[in-house]
Amino acid sequence: SQKIEQNSEALNIQEGKTATLTCNYTNYSPAYLQWYRQDPGRGPVFLLLIRENEKEKRKERLKVTFDTTLKQSLFHITASQPADSATYLCALPDTGRRALTFGSGTRLQVQP
Amino acid sequence: KAGVTQTPRYLIKTRGQQVTLSCSPISGHRSVSWYQQTPGQGLQFLFEYFSETQRNKGNFPGRFSGRQFSNSRSEMNVSTLELGDSALYLCASSPGGSSGANVLTFGAGSRLTVL
Repeated sequence: SQKIEQNSEALNIQEGKTATLTCNYTNYSPAYLQWYRQDPGRGPVFLLLIRENEKEKRKERLKVTFDTTLKQSLFHITASQPADSATYLCALPDTGRRALTFGSGTRLQVQP
Repeated sequence: KAGVTQTPRYLIKTRGQQVTLSCSPISGHRSVSWYQQTPGQGLQFLFEYFSETQRNKGNFPGRFSGRQFSNSRSEMNVSTLELGDSALYLCASSPGGSSGANVLTFGAGSRLTVL
């Protein structure tokens, strides 16, 4: 099955700066990769999906890149706000079954 | 439209008891997946149901089971509870087609504490 690595240390940045989170994976190259946001005590919320033939995807202040050679996705939040503080999870489809494997997530803290 | 609804939100059980958790998916979604989330292991896939059939299964012991009803609502059951079963149990629904990306809509979760 897929192994996913996300930086387990919290990322602290100042309001207005760009936050960059990393998701690295091993084994096979997935057909797509997803990013979710999770607030404490709540379920994850889907943010963005990027397919293997897409290098970059944008949605408002969010940008995701997907490098299948490096086996890495970067998730950027530009002009970050304290309301962006949450844990961000990347997820990839499993092989052989219809399920997602999630990374452990990176907690982002945006300081005002 | 209404989101994914999970009940109960919080519950406390003792070792050896059993528990049933309920999930109502988004209207029109036919696939329901269950995940266990703990601080140490993160989100772990339990199983997925589609059209009342278990379509996929994770690596959990047989004490964890589930079912899906004809209206797509799903329940999961954990028997003979152990302390290590304390976790946030998340249900997620999706349209469920076999092709295309599997984008999940999660409920708020059921927080189970086993004493």
